[in-house]
Amino acid sequence: SQQGEEDPQALSIQEGENATMNCSYKTSINNLQWYRQNSGRGLVHLILIRSNEREKHSGRLRVTLDTSKKSSSLLITASRAADTASYFCATGPTGGGNKLTFGTGTQLKVEL
Amino acid sequence: DAGITQSPRHKVTETGTPVTLRCHQTENHRYMYWYRQDPGHGLRLIHYSYGVKDTDKGEVSDGYSVSRSKTEDFLLTLESATSSQTSVYFCAAGSGDQPQHFGDGTRLSIL
Repeated sequence: SQQGEEDPQALSIQEGENATMNCSYKTSINNLQWYRQNSGRGLVHLILIRSNEREKHSGRLRVTLDTSKKSSSLLITASRAADTASYFCATGPTGGGNKLTFGTGTQLKVEL
Repeated sequence: DAGITQSPRHKVTETGTPVTLRCHQTENHRYMYWYRQDPGHGLRLIHYSYGVKDTDKGEVSDGYSVSRSKTEDFLLTLESATSSQTSVYFCAAGSGDQPQHFGDGTRLSIL
């Protein structure tokens, strides 16, 4: 069963706008990770946030984590056409195990 | 990811035939994983390995087996392929609870 559910399933924005994707999960976690997948390619890791962290930044990416609501958000600022991809959240279990459970993803399209 | 290579990249085969997919890593990661990706399901874990000859089942392991005789190689075998196993298969590797590194996938069609 899926641990993470992303919202929205699809998002279309103009270049320069911000894109926000949300992820909800069901059970306690050790960490939450976001991955990007370009069409026809494998997943690429973007950012990892641990359960004791609330916010993390990496370049134009900002991730928040609210463990009380079992939710996370990924914000991409000043989006570019090259950001067009599918974005997945994945949760790592408590106890620090390495098996990730992936959500179903958000398809982001950034138009010129 | 430059360190993870999957072969073949594409395969078409018939129902009932055996199929083996190969994953090779160059980064000496302890853990390796096989996922399948289907529309509406995201990635689902088939099997994973936590060391040479040490493997365990994932969420959707029925009809699949794996082997890991060397740190760098992780094989996924469909003993008797069925049409429901048509999918895109991804291999990943990682260390501990660190991010996983993915190959570019194998697109498998079973007719």
